[in-house]
Amino acid sequence: AQSVTQLGSHVSVSEGALVLLRCNYSSSVPPYLFWYVQYPNQGLQLLLKYTSAATLVKGINGFEAEFKKSETSFHLTKPSAHMSDAAEYFCAVMTQGAQKLVFGQGTRLTINP
Amino acid sequence: EPEVTQTPSHQVTQMGQEVILRCVPISNHLYFYWYRQILGQKVEFLVSFYNNEISEKSEIFDDQFSVERPDGSNFTLKIRSTKLEDSAMYFCASSEGQGSLETQYFGPGTRLLVL
Repeated sequence: AQSVTQLGSHVSVSEGALVLLRCNYSSSVPPYLFWYVQYPNQGLQLLLKYTSAATLVKGINGFEAEFKKSETSFHLTKPSAHMSDAAEYFCAVMTQGAQKLVFGQGTRLTINP
Repeated sequence: EPEVTQTPSHQVTQMGQEVILRCVPISNHLYFYWYRQILGQKVEFLVSFYNNEISEKSEIFDDQFSVERPDGSNFTLKIRSTKLEDSAMYFCASSEGQGSLETQYFGPGTRLLVL
């Protein structure tokens, strides 16, 4: 069975600082990995996804994530935080041929001015 | 940009009542999904639907739940007799195709409160 663990339910960074949101997965088969973002009163929006091509994946809004099989990790980073990045971020896993996403518990990102 | 919409945004109901949550998927999408998030817990898959049939469901999706595509645009989730533990945020999603290469687009959710 697959699972996802997001370390830190709340992360707070200063504007301009590095954003690092951690995600570790467990999967018995090669996984596909996703990061979604939810802004207030909106749906989950796909930031980026890893589907076994390049291990460093670039997404929207300057975010990127690196798939590290040896560490079973897919951490999300952004070099310089903007106030507009304040949102809830969800890491998710899916196995090939599956239909469902398996989500982590989410990390709420707060940006301090 | 096309988006998934859901109505209502909030619903309060009494235990034992039936509720219907409505979703309008993106128009050219063929696969539809319901997920839910109980407060403080993970987003959980409930069911996927394709070609007017359930294609996969979780153990949460018991006989109290049903899904339907009553017309060409709506996709509904019905809970026949609500329980307190059904209180959650319910998300609808749709995708053009199936599988990991297809992005699932999510709606803003319906927050259901069962009293």
